[in-house]
Amino acid sequence: DIQLTQSPSSLSASVGDRVTITCRASQSIIIYLNWYQQKPGNAPKLLLNAASNLQSGVPSRFSGSGSGTDFTLTISSLQPEDFATYYCQQSYTTPTFGQGTRLEIK
Amino acid sequence: EMQLLESGGGLVQPGGSLRLSCAASGFTFSSHDMSWVRQAPGKGLEWISAVRGNADKTYYADSVKGRFTVSRDNSKDTLYLQMNSPRADDTALYYCAKGQVTSSTFDCWGQGTMVTVSS
Repeated sequence: DIQLTQSPSSLSASVGDRVTITCRASQSIIIYLNWYQQKPGNAPKLLLNAASNLQSGVPSRFSGSGSGTDFTLTISSLQPEDFATYYCQQSYTTPTFGQGTRLEIK
Repeated sequence: EMQLLESGGGLVQPGGSLRLSCAASGFTFSSHDMSWVRQAPGKGLEWISAVRGNADKTYYADSVKGRFTVSRDNSKDTLYLQMNSPRADDTALYYCAKGQVTSSTFDCWGQGTMVTVSS
């Protein structure tokens, strides 16, 4: 199975900050990389697919980039509703998820 | 609006059995691969099983292979997960998730159904 490693595992930031989360794959997954947001007590929500394709209704402050083995999720200006846990997931082969990045209020 | 509604969770003894269901609405169910993804308490997400839209192929994570069986009834727009011989480490919130057509990009999730394996 392809392993995904997210960094950092947790992050403290303030409203208005620019934040970047990294996801590294154990082998090339081309651009078959998705990002999800999960708030406590809720199901995950798809934010971006194919590394950089923003889903309908997701604010434009979210963006993604990368290809091959290295990917990033960037939130350009944190809003209060963005504090959550973020997961990357590869859809190149049998699906696997990163371990998650918990984004907390500083 | 796309919706998924899981049911069937509860307390099950190790070695017992349980069947989860996921009722779908708001999209053409038979056109989409469907998956089960679970989340142990306080832990991350783990994909465990998928079935193709026409039910001709099924897929399993090693952690559940040989014990769990995924199926679907496209006439009822319903996905199932038959859990046999569950173990304590199968305790988790079980989500059904809709794939974007024939992919494992999950664009719609249910609210989850909790399974607790304990004697």
